[in-house]
Amino acid sequence: NAGVTQTPKFRVLKTGQSMTLLCAQDMNHEYMYWYRQDPGMGLRLIHYSVGEGTTAKGEVPDGYNVSRLKKQNFLLGLESAAPSQTSVYFCASSYEGARETQYFGPGTRLLVL
Amino acid sequence: EDQVTQSPEALRLQEGESSSLNCSYTVSGLRGLFWYRQDPGKGPEFLFTLYSAGEEKEKERLKATLTKKESFLHITAPKPEDSATYLCAVQDWLNTGFQKLVFGTGTRLLVSP
Repeated sequence: NAGVTQTPKFRVLKTGQSMTLLCAQDMNHEYMYWYRQDPGMGLRLIHYSVGEGTTAKGEVPDGYNVSRLKKQNFLLGLESAAPSQTSVYFCASSYEGARETQYFGPGTRLLVL
Repeated sequence: EDQVTQSPEALRLQEGESSSLNCSYTVSGLRGLFWYRQDPGKGPEFLFTLYSAGEEKEKERLKATLTKKESFLHITAPKPEDSATYLCAVQDWLNTGFQKLVFGTGTRLLVSP
């Protein structure tokens, strides 16, 4: 099993550009999450999904959109990137019996100039 | 909102030198405390869940304990491969009724041979 994979690993954007981060999991988990990790701050939840076709806002959702058309994939979109969105983005997944035991991907490092 | 504070921010140990990491939290009602390990350039990896004061969990050289106000991660006779950032998290409610994880900023542990 590959676990949780993320694409791309690293990306540089100019302010105003758009991009999509892809997360895939092969563990048949119901729950999926997008976090951002910034220096001096803990991981913060951007959006989450409790199942295929459903998404909801986390604690820092502004400037991001998500979609979960297939159970195994969770996409994070930035429509108009801003320098404040420079961060490391992590995707995670978990199953119903142990939601807090989250399996994280390797991360995507995003730099917005 | 629940707050999680970890100390020290960084810790340097010699191989075999035991020590403890601290995680203090403020909650209106603890629903679980979680420890994760994060290696440089990688996503966090789940270690332990603790639910009630007095509970202990062990894995190899690591032992996690929980009191009513804090948790400790004891590292006995550490090896260089234990070098990582250790993250602590508690559960909190989003206004959607979903339980999210609130992460601390972590303790960076470096074990020298």
